[in-house]
Amino acid sequence: DGGITQSPKYLFRKEGQNVTLSCEQNLNHDAMYWYRQDPGQGLRLIYYSQIVNDFQKGDIAEGYSVSREKKESFPLTVTSAQKNPTAFYLCASSIGGSLGNQPQHFGDGTRLSIL
Amino acid sequence: GENVEQHPSTLSVQEGDSAVIKCTYSDSASNYFPWYKQELGKRPQLIIDIRSNVGEKKDQRIAVTLNKTAKHFSLHITETQPEDSAVYFCAARPTDSWGKLQFGAGTQVVVTP
Repeated sequence: DGGITQSPKYLFRKEGQNVTLSCEQNLNHDAMYWYRQDPGQGLRLIYYSQIVNDFQKGDIAEGYSVSREKKESFPLTVTSAQKNPTAFYLCASSIGGSLGNQPQHFGDGTRLSIL
Repeated sequence: GENVEQHPSTLSVQEGDSAVIKCTYSDSASNYFPWYKQELGKRPQLIIDIRSNVGEKKDQRIAVTLNKTAKHFSLHITETQPEDSAVYFCAARPTDSWGKLQFGAGTQVVVTP
């Protein structure tokens, strides 16, 4: 969707380095999500945020951190504690709502590799 | 927690034939089931979704059926075309986990002319 922008498209991390992936949306969505996709596998949830200034851990949060200071932005930091960071990272957003069962729309992704 | 299994992992069909992908889920309280199409290196795109109060939903050549008793849902693509070649993911949303989708492992669909 043109309303969700992820940057950069490709990112390389050195050993012991933290890197931050950007995700911006102009869809006025309340909820935002970060997923990790490994080759030949489905998407696994890292973190999600239902509303500004609030976020929860997903299934594989270890070695990652997020912030949600603005409605339109949900950056993901891959810390040095994440020993296997090489993957395709996808950001998504949805309208939100009390039931959380609204369609999620994805950005184009960031491919992270280790140098 | 919710567990979603997707079959088959690969599917090869002749152009014009139908393709069917099946997913099973473990949480009987799951109430939202989207399907995504992902072309190589691209973002997943929502192609159709169904909620637990509906048994079937159709959108042109694509349809999804839901069997709550058996806890499975299926994607049906009719009159397949080469541009239908992609990886398709199913997902389910358990009611005890706001917004969290549990994805299947994906099905690689190849449509041969």
